[in-house]
Amino acid sequence: NAGVTQTPKFRILKIGQSMTLQCTQDMNHNYMYWYRQDPGMGLKLIYYSVGAGITDKGEVPNGYNVSRSTTEDFPLRLELAAPSQTSVYFCASSPREAGTEAFFGQGTRLTVV
Amino acid sequence: QKEVEQNSGPLSVPEGAIASLNCTYSDRGSQSFFWYRQYSGKSPELIMFIYSNGDKEDGRFTAQLNKASQYVSLLIRDSQPSDSATYLCAPANQAGTALIFGKGTTLSVSS
Repeated sequence: NAGVTQTPKFRILKIGQSMTLQCTQDMNHNYMYWYRQDPGMGLKLIYYSVGAGITDKGEVPNGYNVSRSTTEDFPLRLELAAPSQTSVYFCASSPREAGTEAFFGQGTRLTVV
Repeated sequence: QKEVEQNSGPLSVPEGAIASLNCTYSDRGSQSFFWYRQYSGKSPELIMFIYSNGDKEDGRFTAQLNKASQYVSLLIRDSQPSDSATYLCAPANQAGTALIFGKGTTLSVSS
């Protein structure tokens, strides 16, 4: 019962570098999400996907890209990292029905210096 | 921009008391509502969801929903120190494609 798995758990990037945050789920959920959480703040939706090949922007998509080639995987790409992207990133997935509960991965703590 | 408002707290209650957590939301199209608990340094975990107006009880937790007032609340009875965490209110967006989270209310239960 792995659920939602994120890698890496921690990462330090230099300004201008790029990286991919990996997310995979083994629950056969169609819906997947990327959120970021800044200290003392709630979760902000970056991108979401309602199925393989379908992605859409959330509240704060600038500086990020996603792809969804399989049901299981939903990687988040950061291009040209900036200090404002220092945050904790959570990947989540939901069952087939929209508006149902989201199950979260353990998070990736990213620092951009 | 759809918004979810929560009192950030901290809300401090003694052990055994009732903790009341409130949330208002701006998207009148929201049809489903979720409460998540987040311990410090951990990921959010679902504790309650509610779809219909009124009350829904699950053990020590009761969720209350009033769509006309765009208000949802969470009551925790017989609060325990282990309930000390941040509670996130999360209505689904009108399309039902994603959850929109509030900033959360930090609850502290003292023994």
